[in-house]
Amino acid sequence: RKEVEQDPGPFNVPEGATVAFNCTYSNSASQSFFWYRQDCRKEPKLLMSVYSSGNEDGRFTAQLNRASQYISLLIRDSKLSDSATYLCVVADAGNMLTFGGGTRLMVKP
Amino acid sequence: DTEVTQTPKHLVMGMTNKKSLKCEQHMGHRAMYWYKQKAKKPPELMFVYSYEKLSINESVPSRFSPECPNSSLLNLHLHALQPEDSALYLCASRLNKAGTYEQYFGPGTRLTVT
Repeated sequence: RKEVEQDPGPFNVPEGATVAFNCTYSNSASQSFFWYRQDCRKEPKLLMSVYSSGNEDGRFTAQLNRASQYISLLIRDSKLSDSATYLCVVADAGNMLTFGGGTRLMVKP
Repeated sequence: DTEVTQTPKHLVMGMTNKKSLKCEQHMGHRAMYWYKQKAKKPPELMFVYSYEKLSINESVPSRFSPECPNSSLLNLHLHALQPEDSALYLCASRLNKAGTYEQYFGPGTRLTVT
């Protein structure tokens, strides 16, 4: 069983749509949670950290459910520039990151 | 500023060559990482340096040799690589302060071994 699981997609959505990605993790001792975005042939870039209280950054909302070991990312009003692979990332107490396999999003005009 | 720089951007090397990848950050981060990423896969951790000391080696073959000359620089020395070592090599850094887990990645070096 993978430690961090994501639906690989691709999610094909029209511009303006709302899309949600989910992620589950197996290590109940995980400390911190993140969504990274990775464009084709580029490096992963930190999109946002994820907190139990939920957090929002513009069109992006992230949620964490520690009891269910579940993380989500909601993107509202999708833009063409949101097309990328979204990596769910979990950090353990030793500051080691575990990456999910990524979810590919394609926003179409 | 969350900038990590890496050189070169692209590298083609033969199996008998020796080359080095370089990574630099001036954010005062004291934890630095090397990752390897193959196409359509997530990054895989290779090495971790904490306060300029190697703290983790994820069973990486000895043809990859990391070096941390100072708190801002991280090198990866390559020797006698195999074609299957072709990948994107990513450097990352972290503040190394308790409770701080975010890692910031450089743009990577795309390595091709011929």
